Amino acid sequence: SQQGEEDPQALSIQEGENATMNCSYKTSINNLQWYRQNSGRGLVHLILIRSNEREKHSGRLRVTLDTSKKSSSLLITASRAADTASYFCATVLISSGSARQLTFGSGTQLTVLP
Amino acid sequence: DGGITQSPKYLFRKEGQNVTLSCEQNLNHDAMYWYRQDPGQGLRLIYYSQIVNDFQKGDIAEGYSVSREKKESFPLTVTSAQKNPTAFYLCASSSSDGYREAFFGQGTRLTVV
Repeated sequence: SQQGEEDPQALSIQEGENATMNCSYKTSINNLQWYRQNSGRGLVHLILIRSNEREKHSGRLRVTLDTSKKSSSLLITASRAADTASYFCATVLISSGSARQLTFGSGTQLTVLP
Repeated sequence: DGGITQSPKYLFRKEGQNVTLSCEQNLNHDAMYWYRQDPGQGLRLIYYSQIVNDFQKGDIAEGYSVSREKKESFPLTVTSAQKNPTAFYLCASSSSDGYREAFFGQGTRLTVV
């Protein structure tokens, strides 16, 4: 089952503009994570925000979390052509016993035009 | 260097054959995961393992099998029962508590010929 859903599916902006991607999820979480994937490569972790945090920064990245709305957003400021990639949110589901599934949303394809 | 390694990078399979994808990590992680990614799509969970000798089915386990005999290794076998196996396969590992980030391999692209 898909826990997270990103919005928009695709986003195209000019270099220097800000890019905002949103993620909605369904169940209670301990944390929410954002990953980046360049075409044909593995995913790289960007930032993790815990359920008791509302906002977190890392360089040009800013993540917010609203647990009452079950949503998160990723803001990339002053975008660069090198930011072109797919971005995914991920959450951990606790399954039977203590097994933990790491599940991903469908992703946002970001294109930054030079 | 600590990391997670998938091999091979590209794999071609004839219809009706089983193939095994390798995933090895030296990060001392208890949890390991296999995902399938189709073009332009997100990641779908095939199998995951929280500890040696134990694993659980994900959302699309049919036609796949795994083993976890060693902490470092989590091979995935794509069996002939998987009717549409052409896809990009990603392996990941993390701490088993789910409170930290996952690390991914570079993926294996499987094509049925």
